[in-house]
Amino acid sequence: DIQMTQSPSSLSASVGDRVTITCRASQSISSYLNWYQQKPGKAPKLLIYAASSLQSGVPSRFSGSGSGTDFTLTISSLQPEDFATYYCQQSYSTSITFGQGTRLEIK
Amino acid sequence: EVQLVESGGGLIQPGGSLRLSCAASGFTVSSNYMSWVRQAPGKGLEWVSLIYSAGTTYYADSVKGRFTISRDNSKNTLYLQMNSLRAEDTAVYYCARGVAAAGFLWFDYWGQGTLVTVSS
Repeated sequence: DIQMTQSPSSLSASVGDRVTITCRASQSISSYLNWYQQKPGKAPKLLIYAASSLQSGVPSRFSGSGSGTDFTLTISSLQPEDFATYYCQQSYSTSITFGQGTRLEIK
Repeated sequence: EVQLVESGGGLIQPGGSLRLSCAASGFTVSSNYMSWVRQAPGKGLEWVSLIYSAGTTYYADSVKGRFTISRDNSKNTLYLQMNSLRAEDTAVYYCARGVAAAGFLWFDYWGQGTLVTVSS
């Protein structure tokens, strides 16, 4: 299986900060990479698909980049509602895998 | 409006069986890729199974041979039959709609989840 490793595992930041979360694949996955946001007790929400395409309705402060093995999710100016856990997910293989998650907390 | 509503979770003894349902509205299950994803208490997301619109199915190694994904087109409902349940299968189970385009696949709508607890 393709292993997805996110860094950091947790992150403290303030409203207005620019934040970057990294996801690394154990082998090249081209651009077959999606990002999700999950708040406690809620289902995941799709933010970015195909590495850099913004899902409809998602604020433009979210952006994704990368290809091959290294990917990033950037939040340009953190808002209070952005404090959550973020997951990357690869669909290059039919054995789909998620990263372990990055918990974004208020500083 | 697209909606996914899971049901069928509960407390089950190790070795037992359970069938989860995911009732869809606002779209046709058989025309889409559909998946089950689970999340153990306090843990991350784990993909469980996927069914293509054409009917091809895929499973995580951890559930292969024990779980079966299926759908009922007349009821527009997705199922997950879970047999030989183990304590490590304890999790919230989500169904999700997959969008496939140009070879890419992502999950754009998710249900609220149903909790399965495997314990004696």
